[in-house]
Amino acid sequence: GAGVSQSPSNKVTEKGKDVELRCDPISGHTALYWYRQRLGQGLEFLIYFQGNSAPDKSGLPSDRFSAERTGESVSTLTIQRTQQEDSAVYLCASSLQRYEQYFGPGTRLTVT
Amino acid sequence: ELKVEQNPLFLSMQEGKNYTIYCNYSTTSDRLYWYRQDPGKSLESLFVLLSNGAVKQEGRLMASLDTKARLSTLHITAAVHDLSATYFCAVDISRQFYFGTGTSLTVIP
Repeated sequence: GAGVSQSPSNKVTEKGKDVELRCDPISGHTALYWYRQRLGQGLEFLIYFQGNSAPDKSGLPSDRFSAERTGESVSTLTIQRTQQEDSAVYLCASSLQRYEQYFGPGTRLTVT
Repeated sequence: ELKVEQNPLFLSMQEGKNYTIYCNYSTTSDRLYWYRQDPGKSLESLFVLLSNGAVKQEGRLMASLDTKARLSTLHITAAVHDLSATYFCAVDISRQFYFGTGTSLTVIP
């Protein structure tokens, strides 16, 4: 596809369940970012992948959050034992090296 | 702790008027980005500013960067309703992007 895609677009889950969010970056983009955006807030950096280098996980808020990326393609963000404060829109972006990022449509996560 | 502050946070302006949104950041960076977000939508890249003194213009929007002052501005000229959205600036520090709190702009006919 031409842009960054994310799935699912919406996810409602019960507190304590695990969720997996998927991001398909633009083909050829070596960098991939995950962000969290709470309602009415700015973006909070979570994790950054660059090529085959070790990811920068410094933004992950707790050990319940993890992410993987297969080569320079798909990435999954996993949240274990979800809490209500995890409710937010999770945005994925990809870029060529350090230049401008192209954002996906986001996954709206609601934890009940 | 790095801070990226935008002001104003909320801006209501009449069509045809001019206004400036400010983005201040607290540490050295030579890369600054502006994004637009429509309600319920994702972010759209507007400008990439890569050096001190950089100025870019697209339509009624013009962005500038002063790295010495750690300040970027987004100037709106003769606002139109279609510009209503939330605008974010973001600073690139060692490959991490730090976003401002956003400026919610409403253009009133």
